[in-house]
This record gives sequence, structure tokens and C-alpha cells, in this order.
Amino acid sequence: KQEVTQIPAALSVPEGENLVLNCSFTDSAIYNLQWFRQDPGKGLTSLLLIQSSQREQTSGRLNASLDKSSGRSTLYIAASQPGDSATYLCADNYGQNFVFGPGTRLSVLP
Amino acid sequence: NAGVTQTPKFRILKIGQSMTLQCTQDMNHNYMYWYRQDPGMGLKLIYYSVGAGITDKGEVPNGYNVSRSTTEDFPLRLELAAPSQTSVYFCASSYDGYQPQHFGDGTRLSIL
Repeated sequence: KQEVTQIPAALSVPEGENLVLNCSFTDSAIYNLQWFRQDPGKGLTSLLLIQSSQREQTSGRLNASLDKSSGRSTLYIAASQPGDSATYLCADNYGQNFVFGPGTRLSVLP
Repeated sequence: NAGVTQTPKFRILKIGQSMTLQCTQDMNHNYMYWYRQDPGMGLKLIYYSVGAGITDKGEVPNGYNVSRSTTEDFPLRLELAAPSQTSVYFCASSYDGYQPQHFGDGTRLSIL
């Protein structure tokens, strides 16, 4: 059974710092991996999707990498801002459905 | 362009009651999904559909039923509601299994 974990569970940083969120999965036979942002009381917003054949994807200040052999993905956020405060979830596409991690709750302090 | 729309946003049910959570999308997506999210947990897949007339169970299907008579709509039905079904329910859609999923804002359901 595929399991997805995320470390740390919560993270607090001062504004302007660069930071890395980690996602690990137990079975490397994934089709793709997606990073989401969830604001309190809201649904999930897709940030980046990396296909299994790709190593990384970039969008603005966000960069996501994928290493299937080690079962890891990272989300790098450059020059963090208070507006980045949210919960970040990763999910891998494992055979017709997505398996989600529990999320990392990020607080960026002004 | 509304994306994925879920109704209702909030609902309180009594044990044993039934209800249908509505989900509709206007992006002509083939794939649709229902998830539940419990506090501090990731989302768990309840049911999914890869096209009209086709549905399949996810990780936690017990106590739920779905139907997909049109491309746009994917309702989730709870029969005989139980306290363990108190959760936030999210509907999502994607063009296929390789494209990003788009989520609705969720339905917050409490069963007392």
C-alpha cells in the first residue's frame, strides 16, 4: 500500500527566507506527483505537477523536484512572503487515484 | 468559468439520516473524484469516475454511493449517516489521470 509522508508537520519562518518542504512516498511506481496549497476553510489549489519522467517543475518562486528512485519530492519556496502561509500537501498518482500526504503547515512571519 | 462547484457548503445531519452531496464541473473533465479530509490528516479517496457511467471505489468507500450519469455531475450519497462520517468532503476533477486535479471548496458535514 502506497504511503505518503511529509516533514515537517509545521514550519515557522521569518519573511524573506528560502525554505524546503519534503514529501516521501513508499512505492516509486507513480505516474506523477502534485503539490497543492490549502488555505484555512478552503479547497486545494494545484501548484505544480511533475510527471514521472520529469525531474523538476518551476512556477515563479516555487520549484518542485522529484526523485523516484529515493521516493522523495521537495518543494522549494524562494523569498517567502506572509501570503505564502498555508498548508502544503503533496499527492502522488498511484494507479488511477491520488494518495495524499498529511501536509506541512507553513507560517511566514512579517 | 466556475470550475468545480460543491453544494451545500455546510450541513448537520442526525444519525441514520441520508443526504446527497452535489458536485458539478464545467471544464469538460473526464475524471472526477470524491475525497474526505479529517482534521490533521491528508485526503482519502472515497470514489472516483473516469467517465460518464463508470465509477470505482477508492480507499474508503463504505457507507457511500456515487453515480455519474453526465460528464458534469458526480453526486455522493450518504445512506444511514454515522458519526464517523463527520468530515470535510472535497470533490475534484481532471481531464485525465495525468493532468492536475481541480478542487471544489468542500462540504463541511457534521453528524450528531
